[in-house]
Amino acid sequence: QVQLVQSGGGVVQPGRSLRLSCAASGFAFSTYGIHWVRQAPGKGLEWVAVISHDGSYKYYADSVKGRLTVSRDNSKNTVDLQMNSLRAEDTAVYYCAKNNGSGTFDHWGQGTLVTVSS
Amino acid sequence: EIVLTQSPGTLSLSPGERATLSCRASQSVYSNYLAWYQQKPGQAPRLLIYGASSRATGTPDRFSGSGSGTDFALTISRLEPEDFAVYYCQQYASTYVTFGQGTKVEIK
Repeated sequence: QVQLVQSGGGVVQPGRSLRLSCAASGFAFSTYGIHWVRQAPGKGLEWVAVISHDGSYKYYADSVKGRLTVSRDNSKNTVDLQMNSLRAEDTAVYYCAKNNGSGTFDHWGQGTLVTVSS
Repeated sequence: EIVLTQSPGTLSLSPGERATLSCRASQSVYSNYLAWYQQKPGQAPRLLIYGASSRATGTPDRFSGSGSGTDFALTISRLEPEDFAVYYCQQYASTYVTFGQGTKVEIK
């Protein structure tokens, strides 16, 4: 069955970096785009970034542009989110999600908490 | 950016009652590329409805979506105990996906 297993996350000081990973299985990984969505504590969902099936295009929310970078390795079925210059407002649970081909997210990772605090 | 506004913020209902959730877009959503998700505490969201009115795999038929253009709705015909959760609408007409702020359906 389709699985997205996330790793990384934790507590980091403002201005520092963190890398999140999303390992996929159970589907033709190289065929689908992958999104990142975050949710601040007690808040709603915020789309963060998307990477196309082959990594040829990447788009970011304005709130993270220039600080977060998404990448993928289709040989390892993984997607990474490199987070630099972290701010307190980046504190959230981060989810990776599979694009089902039309733009909706039919499978999600379990989420990983990133806390930016001194 | 397409802004989605959901109402009400909270809906207090009893099991067996009908729930109607609204999602209004700041501009017309191309091809009704509007989805609904359900999220329970401590869990990832789950896709319920796509294309404004098509049920995703595994979505019970008590859930129905409707609307077009800028006004959309999610209806739960008879609330089951497991339906009390937060619901989000999402537009995917734009590369820059956006979500509504959510409607919490709570037990009255």
